[in-house]
Amino acid sequence: GAGVSQSPRYKVAKRGQDVALRCDPISGHVSLFWYQQALGQGPEFLTYFQNEAQLDKSGLPSDRFFAERPEGSVSTLKIQRTQQEDSAVYLCASSDQRNTEAFFGQGTRLTVV
Amino acid sequence: ELKVEQNPLFLSMQEGKNYTIYCNYSTTSDRLYWYRQDPGKSLESLFVLLSNGAVKQEGRLMASLDTKARLSTLHITAAVHDLSATYFCAVDTPTQNTDKLIFGTGTRLQVFP
Repeated sequence: GAGVSQSPRYKVAKRGQDVALRCDPISGHVSLFWYQQALGQGPEFLTYFQNEAQLDKSGLPSDRFFAERPEGSVSTLKIQRTQQEDSAVYLCASSDQRNTEAFFGQGTRLTVV
Repeated sequence: ELKVEQNPLFLSMQEGKNYTIYCNYSTTSDRLYWYRQDPGKSLESLFVLLSNGAVKQEGRLMASLDTKARLSTLHITAAVHDLSATYFCAVDTPTQNTDKLIFGTGTRLQVFP
């Protein structure tokens, strides 16, 4: 596709509910990143994939957060038993190889009520 | 741990005026990015600075990098209302396993007539 696509754009979840956020990177891009952006803050790194391999998950805030990219293209970020502090915009980015500029998607705004 | 600090956090400036946003980072890095973010939108890449002394200009914005001082600046010349947005600098961390970006806190710019 022309850019990084994320869905849904908006998600409202009740506390305790599980959610799944999808990212379609730019076709052929090897690297994929997830970031979390709380209101009024800069994005914070969650996890990084190179193809299907999750090479860095040091930013995942708890074991309720899980990300996968099974075929090296589409990625899903799953949050189990959502809490209010999970409310944020979740941004996905992709780049065509290591050490090159990453392009960001529109993000998914998650609100936990 | 790499830290990135921006100042000021908020900037209200009159149209036609000049101003500079500063970005300091704590450890050596290969590249520095400047992004723009409009409310409710994703990150738009403005500049990628790759080497010491690098200077890039686009319209009324000019970015520079001093790797020895670990400082980047984003200079605004003759501001116009359309420049109102939040600006982030970000530094990459190309270690063996990741290319994650560390973002600054952001500078919220408001340009008024």
